[in-house]
Amino acid sequence: DTAVSQTPKYLVTQMGNDKSIKCEQNLGHDTMYWYKQDSKKFLKIMFSYNNKELIINETVPNRFSPKSPDKAHLNLHINSLELGDSAVYFCASSQGAAGYTFGSGTRLTVV
Amino acid sequence: AQSVTQLDSQVPVFEEAPVELRCNYSSSVSVYLFWYVQYPNQGLQLLLKYLSGSTLVKGINGFEAEFNKSQTSFHLRKPSVHISDTAEYFCAVTSNTGNQFYFGTGTSLTVIP
Repeated sequence: DTAVSQTPKYLVTQMGNDKSIKCEQNLGHDTMYWYKQDSKKFLKIMFSYNNKELIINETVPNRFSPKSPDKAHLNLHINSLELGDSAVYFCASSQGAAGYTFGSGTRLTVV
Repeated sequence: AQSVTQLDSQVPVFEEAPVELRCNYSSSVSVYLFWYVQYPNQGLQLLLKYLSGSTLVKGINGFEAEFNKSQTSFHLRKPSVHISDTAEYFCAVTSNTGNQFYFGTGTSLTVIP
């Protein structure tokens, strides 16, 4: 069983479209995250949820909206996609300070 | 808040040679430190972590790191690298609340045959 699973793995879409990325963890962790990794491999935190409550909301365009229906799921919805949104998006989960478990990433390409 | 600096963006090294990837952190509170590895086109995988206890931490794939509080460093080492170690390596720090992890900018390790 995959501990943190994201779908889809690849996403190619046109500018202006709306898309969602789903994330699920089966580790029983309380906290989940979305990170964006750009072409230079920099990892930037976008959002963090703890038990369905938003605790970190970095400077991210409001076209990005996270949704956590329960503590095992954290989805990312993106409206009006732009070329600059092209990146790899990683979901992760953690329990306390023991470390993150990452998903395998979603490579988003906006054309 | 904490921060992490990885001093080397790219490290080329010949196969079977030793390697050290440098990581320095800053924090006003006690920290936990981590190294993650990202193989090409894959997610990040935990290599090792320091939470408490012995300052020399051993991880997977023959890597180890040493926590040095006085120098605020957590350098990653391997005595003999393999081609398969070619990857991006990230150092990360968090406080004991673990609310947020801070990642370095990554070091690209290339092992040359």
